[in-house]
Order: sequence, then structure tokens, then C-alpha cells
Amino acid sequence: DQQVKQNSPSLSVQEGRISILNCDYTNSMFDYFLWYKKYPAEGPTFLISISSIKDKNEDGRFTVFLNKSAKHLSLHIVPSQPGDSAVYFCAARKLSGGSNYKLTFGKGTLLTVNP
Amino acid sequence: KAGVTQTPRYLIKTRGQQVTLSCSPISGHRSVSWYQQTPGQGLQFLFEYFSETQRNKGNFPGRFSGRQFSNSRSEMNVSTLELGDSALYLCASSAMGLAGHEQFFGPGTRLTVL
Repeated sequence: DQQVKQNSPSLSVQEGRISILNCDYTNSMFDYFLWYKKYPAEGPTFLISISSIKDKNEDGRFTVFLNKSAKHLSLHIVPSQPGDSAVYFCAARKLSGGSNYKLTFGKGTLLTVNP
Repeated sequence: KAGVTQTPRYLIKTRGQQVTLSCSPISGHRSVSWYQQTPGQGLQFLFEYFSETQRNKGNFPGRFSGRQFSNSRSEMNVSTLELGDSALYLCASSAMGLAGHEQFFGPGTRLTVL
């Protein structure tokens, strides 16, 4: 049961343009959403997050939008740079017994930004 | 401040063997989580340890186990290895666990089972 889905395995954009990465979820109990970026041979690094009580969070070139009614979030990168080329994982957090949380990740989207 | 370190970085084993992977979290972090990454399934949560106690577990068979020591270092063990256990195993540390939501990942251990 894939509770967090990234339906596009890959995305290719031109340098300077906008990159939009999408993520859908099925569990309404998720209370926090995160995006991680992963380069080959490295662990994922935290990029940006958003609470379920908000619909937008912005950090420099990165903006995450959350549409709770559609159970959909997206990551916008503007402008895209070649160094943004990486695998992007969407993750969602929910309580899993008592006060403990668990993160559920999507399968990732490979972003390639062409110079 | 040193980041999360994982040893070994690469490992080759044969079916039926067992393996132990090690993770040293960022100094001062008490929570360590383990994940399995495969091309088909993405990152899947294995378990989380906080102050030497396992406080959350994913949907993996009992062949996967772990522990955490008093210095917060953690080990993960997989017994009776199967071909499908070939994956990148990632460890992540955080100060307070996922309630603080930000985790810092190590580079991973690439396990190949032949």
C-alpha cells in the first residue's frame, strides 16, 4: 500500500526554467510533509518542509505547496540550476503509537536540469 | 560538527549469511532511524531507536533487527540474507526524533547479496 506516491520517475528541464515535482498521498493522518534531495553516493539531505495546517512554504528558490483537499503537494524550484540535478524524495510524517512518529517516503523523482 | 557516519560503505555477502551494519550519529543526537532504499520501493522505514530503546518499527521480517548503545551509536543486523536484501541501507540521526522532523542522513551502506 503506497501511501506516498511520486508518479513521475523522472523530469527533465532547462536551466533557468521552473521545475515542478509532484507528490500525492492517501493518508489524511499525515501532519507534516518534507522534501529531501539525494545525490548519487550520498545520503538524502533535507530541503524544505510544510505543516499540514499551511498551504505554502518558501525558502529561496524552493517553494512547497500543499493542497489538503486533493491530498497533493508539489515542490517548485525557480530558477532551476544544473546543480539541482538529483533524486527528490517526498516524505510524510504521522504519529505511530503514543508520541512516536514515522516517516513514509515516496519512490523519488530524478530531476535533470540541462545547461 | 562531524556528520552521520556509516560503516562499512560497501559489503558483499552470500545468501544465508548474516551482516551487521554500523551507524554513528551526529554528536548529541539521541535518535537513530534506519531505512532501506531499493530502486523499486524507494526509502522504506526499518526502525527507530531513541536512548537505547526501539520506539518504532516498519514492516520488515524479524530477520532485520537493531540496537542502540549508550553513546547513541546504532547497529543493524540482518540474518539469513536473501537476494532481495540487496539495497542501500541508510541511517539518519536527529536530536529528538521525528517529532522534530529534521533528520540528517549518512551516506549509506551498499549491501550486495549474491
